[in-house]
Amino acid sequence: DAGITQSPRHKVTETGTPVTLRCHQTENHRYMYWYRQDPGHGLRLIHYSYGVKDTDKGEVSDGYSVSRSKTEDFLLTLESATSSQTSVYFCAISTTSGAYNEQFFGPGTRLTVL
Amino acid sequence: AQTVTQSQPEMSVQEAETVTLSCTYDTSENNYYLFWYKQPPSRQMILVIRQEAYKQQNATENRFSVNFQKAAKSFSLKISDSQLGDTAMYFCAFMKHGGSEKLVFGKGMKLTVNP
Repeated sequence: DAGITQSPRHKVTETGTPVTLRCHQTENHRYMYWYRQDPGHGLRLIHYSYGVKDTDKGEVSDGYSVSRSKTEDFLLTLESATSSQTSVYFCAISTTSGAYNEQFFGPGTRLTVL
Repeated sequence: AQTVTQSQPEMSVQEAETVTLSCTYDTSENNYYLFWYKQPPSRQMILVIRQEAYKQQNATENRFSVNFQKAAKSFSLKISDSQLGDTAMYFCAFMKHGGSEKLVFGKGMKLTVNP
């Protein structure tokens, strides 16, 4: 699992409340990513980070913000959760070994916004 | 922008048979990677196989192999001797070489292996 953990693993919250999801890695990889998975859409990139304090938007970034103050932690924040943000959220890291690039995923967080 | 298309939302196969999952993609890039990920009911995303676009030889990992047709922008996955544990969602994904290494996924396909 490339040493990736996500917390919480499940969360139920109400519309309008702030929510923060945490991704933690143990291997000092430079690149980290947040994806969301919805039926009929596969996985879509929300935000990614290419180093401490270096982040950029992905395909579906509206309503989300991220922060990375340490190499090992990448936080995803929903400032004011909406029902459309009910989804499964995956964190991933990218590893490079010679010419090869692979992404490994955390176990996912199921978020329900009521 | 790159797009990945998996046109078959669902397939089923009998145990021990062979099944092929299709994937097409669109890109103007010349250097890239293609991946197949498996997602069993546990929800964990598992890398099945990877193909580098600059390699003409098709990748193989045990019972899994790909048919990579660069000109046709096609990347199909063949599963031989299907096992019950192969039941899962399968996602095709594209990664541009270099830069931010973002993955672009297809919508996925549900494969059921029947006993």
